Amino acid sequence: GEDVEQSLFLSVREGDSSVINCTYTDSSSTYLYWYKQEPGAGLQLLTYIFSNMDMKQDQRLTVLLNKKDKHLSLRIADTQTGDSAIYFCAESYPSVFSGGYNKLIFGAGTRLAVHP
Amino acid sequence: NAGVTQTPKFRVLKTGQSMTLLCAQDMNHEYMYWYRQDPGMGLRLIHYSVGEGTTAKGEVPDGYNVSRLKKQNFLLGLESAAPSQTSVYFCASSFASEADTQYFGPGTRLTVL
Repeated sequence: GEDVEQSLFLSVREGDSSVINCTYTDSSSTYLYWYKQEPGAGLQLLTYIFSNMDMKQDQRLTVLLNKKDKHLSLRIADTQTGDSAIYFCAESYPSVFSGGYNKLIFGAGTRLAVHP
Repeated sequence: NAGVTQTPKFRVLKTGQSMTLLCAQDMNHEYMYWYRQDPGMGLRLIHYSVGEGTTAKGEVPDGYNVSRLKKQNFLLGLESAAPSQTSVYFCASSFASEADTQYFGPGTRLTVL
């Protein structure tokens, strides 16, 4: 079955790098996403990676994908207090298997706390 | 361009009451979705729509109904609210392509007493 797992908490010092990890079970995923949720707000798309890529970099964000181990990570360089939020990993399940829509399977989210 | 908006932002219901949550998007997206978010869990899909006039069940559809009479709006109804429906509800929308990402509204926090 489809499952996405993340650790629940991560605490880092301001200025350090943060690495948030995610594992998934479905090898037929086409896209993998990272969403950010700030307190009281909806989910904001941070970045995504196509399943045939190994790495994607976008300013302070680096996404690494290990397809063999079904492991996805998000690295935030120079972490700031404004990065404190919950980060959700999600995999996109092919629509041909899910009745015609681009089904997303979400992890439970990793709460990132940035302290001085 | 407001993106995806949801009304209301907060609501408290008594068990057995009914209500409708409204989602609107101005991005001309074909697909729309309703999710619920519970503590320690990822988002779970309640219902979705692949176009105006169509709806389909997601993972957790029981106790909810939906309608998509206009392309830009997707309504989620609770006919007889139960405490188990206390949650934060998110609406999302996307284009039809597999590559297109889902854009989320700000959420509605619902408490059923």
